[in-house]
Amino acid sequence: EAQLVQSGGGLVQPGGSQRLSCAASEFTVTGNHMTWVRQAPGKGLEWVSITSAGGLTDYEDSVKGRFSISRDSSKNTLYLHMNSLRPDDTAVYFCARASPRGWLLIWGQGSLVIVSS
Amino acid sequence: EFVLTQSPGTLSLSPGERASLSCRASESIAGSTLAWYQQRPGQAPRLLMYAATSRAIGIPDRFSGSESGTDFTLTISRLEPEDFVVYYCQHYDASRKYTFGQGTKLEIK
Repeated sequence: EAQLVQSGGGLVQPGGSQRLSCAASEFTVTGNHMTWVRQAPGKGLEWVSITSAGGLTDYEDSVKGRFSISRDSSKNTLYLHMNSLRPDDTAVYFCARASPRGWLLIWGQGSLVIVSS
Repeated sequence: EFVLTQSPGTLSLSPGERASLSCRASESIAGSTLAWYQQRPGQAPRLLMYAATSRAIGIPDRFSGSESGTDFTLTISRLEPEDFVVYYCQHYDASRKYTFGQGTKLEIK
């Protein structure tokens, strides 16, 4: 069964950095569109970043220049590198495999990131 | 700014009743780009419907989707106890990327 297993997250101080990992099984992260979506406590879903099967990347405006999405084919893992973290980045971060039409087919279990001093 | 507006914010119904959840787009979009997700507390969202009217794998046939212009509807024909959770609509295109509605919470009356 295809699945995504996330790791990383936790408490980080404002201005700090954090890396989230998302390991895939039964499909390759490099052969698919992969996204990150976040959900602040008690709030709705917000798209964060995407990397296409062709390697193009894009980011939601509030994280541009601070977050970076990448993939490691040898580990079949997706990453989200987060720098200059702010309290309003506090959220559960989900990775997801996306279809070319943009439907989010498979989701990771989520990683909680808390930005606080 | 493109937005998806879901209504109502909270819907109170009883098991066995029919639920209709609305998602309105602020601009015309292709139905093929509209999806619905279900999210249980403490869990990741799950794809329910794609291309507005197609059920994802493993989704019971009591779930259905429809579209009329910029209005999209998720219908649950006979509510089961496990259906009382939160539902989101979502749109994707190459320029806007991903847009989510704010969600509708289905609660037991």
